[in-house]
Amino acid sequence: QVHLVQSGAEVKKPGASVKVSCKASGYTFTGYYMHWVRQAPGQGLEWMGWINPDDKAHYAQKFQGLVTITRDTSISTTYMELSRLRSDDTAVYYCSRARSMHASDSFDIWGQGTMVTVSS
Amino acid sequence: QTVVTQEPSFSVSPGGTVTLTCGLTSGSVSTSYYPSWYQQTPGQPPRTLVYSTNTRSSGVPDRFSGSILGNKAALTITGAQADDESDYYCVLYMGSGFWVFGGGTKLTVL
Repeated sequence: QVHLVQSGAEVKKPGASVKVSCKASGYTFTGYYMHWVRQAPGQGLEWMGWINPDDKAHYAQKFQGLVTITRDTSISTTYMELSRLRSDDTAVYYCSRARSMHASDSFDIWGQGTMVTVSS
Repeated sequence: QTVVTQEPSFSVSPGGTVTLTCGLTSGSVSTSYYPSWYQQTPGQPPRTLVYSTNTRSSGVPDRFSGSILGNKAALTITGAQADDESDYYCVLYMGSGFWVFGGGTKLTVL
């Protein structure tokens, strides 16, 4: 069974960075795109970026220069690091495995979410 | 900048049929945007309902169906049930690796 298990909640100060992990199991980790999506309290879903089977990362324009998505294939884990945090980065952050190794295949399996709170 | 549009809210009676739509502020949605739909209840991650316009995800009841209606993607729920009361999101593939979510529709069943 396919599972994505994310790291626990974080509280950070403005200007700091946060790194959220997403550990995969139940499938061939290297064969799929992995996306990151966030959701601010009471708001909708917002796509942030992905990392593909070739280890290339790609980001929404809004997050260029702020987010870095990486992965460690030896432990089937993907990471999303967001820097220069602001209060409006307070959100639940989700990893989501795509359906396949194609950029146009949408989100399939979701992690449970990680709450990141940015507060002074 | 193109925005993906969804109805902010919708209401349906139990047993009724409702169609939620997903459009663009500029242009028409086609299958080339690979529209997909997600259901979300409070405190839970999204659940994938439909992908590539009209393919139901595994385990999704056949009363959920996706299509293109006119210039928009659509999600139709036939025979609405109380536990269909959720937020529904569409997402479109804009090409070159970019994805954009709609703002979501809050569906009330009453």
